[in-house]
Amino acid sequence: GAGVSQSPSNKVTEKGKDVELRCDPISGHTALYWYRQSLGQGLEFLIYFQGNSAPDKSGLPSDRFSAERTGGSVSTLTIQRTQQEDSAVYLCASRTSGSHNEQFFGPGTRLTVL
Amino acid sequence: AQSVTQPDIHITVSEGASLELRCNYSYGATPYLFWYVQSPGQGLQLLLKYFSGDTLVQGIKGFEAEFKRSQSSFNLRKPSVHWSDAAEYFCAVAGLYGQNFVFGPGTRLSVLP
Repeated sequence: GAGVSQSPSNKVTEKGKDVELRCDPISGHTALYWYRQSLGQGLEFLIYFQGNSAPDKSGLPSDRFSAERTGGSVSTLTIQRTQQEDSAVYLCASRTSGSHNEQFFGPGTRLTVL
Repeated sequence: AQSVTQPDIHITVSEGASLELRCNYSYGATPYLFWYVQSPGQGLQLLLKYFSGDTLVQGIKGFEAEFKRSQSSFNLRKPSVHWSDAAEYFCAVAGLYGQNFVFGPGTRLSVLP
């Protein structure tokens, strides 16, 4: 079946603009994660959605970052008033509920803030 | 707090040589451990995972990893590296239900012909 998809694949924006990044998880996956991967760096956890529970937002770096997940499926990560340090690849992953399940990753959105 | 360290930022091996990538973790409960690979321009792909049972786990592409609780380690190995194995490798630890998923900083593998 289809994997995790993300759009756009690339986004170039100007400093100060808002951007929205979209993630379509695998159908039936109740858990969804957002990560940020800066050039040459590891994965930085941003936010985690699990079913109808309150999301774990502990990784969001500032109040300019927010995310929502509508209908338990598609998720949107919004970055307001973008800064150059926001330039990175933003990765989304989903997994099924229950234990012992790994995450499946999307291809990422490469964000460049000029 | 949970954490994952991968002491080697970059490793270079010759094709056909053996490989070991190190991973150490800190986790307050029973850890569930993963290795992912990220090839250039590709998404992350799961190589293998450990939850319980046999501490030596087999994965895809000929990789294996051994869980050593006493050393808090989960090292990845491959007996003979292929040029296509050149990639970034990430070790990760998580809770039973996927909470607190933490990735290490990654190890970049280069393979010499």
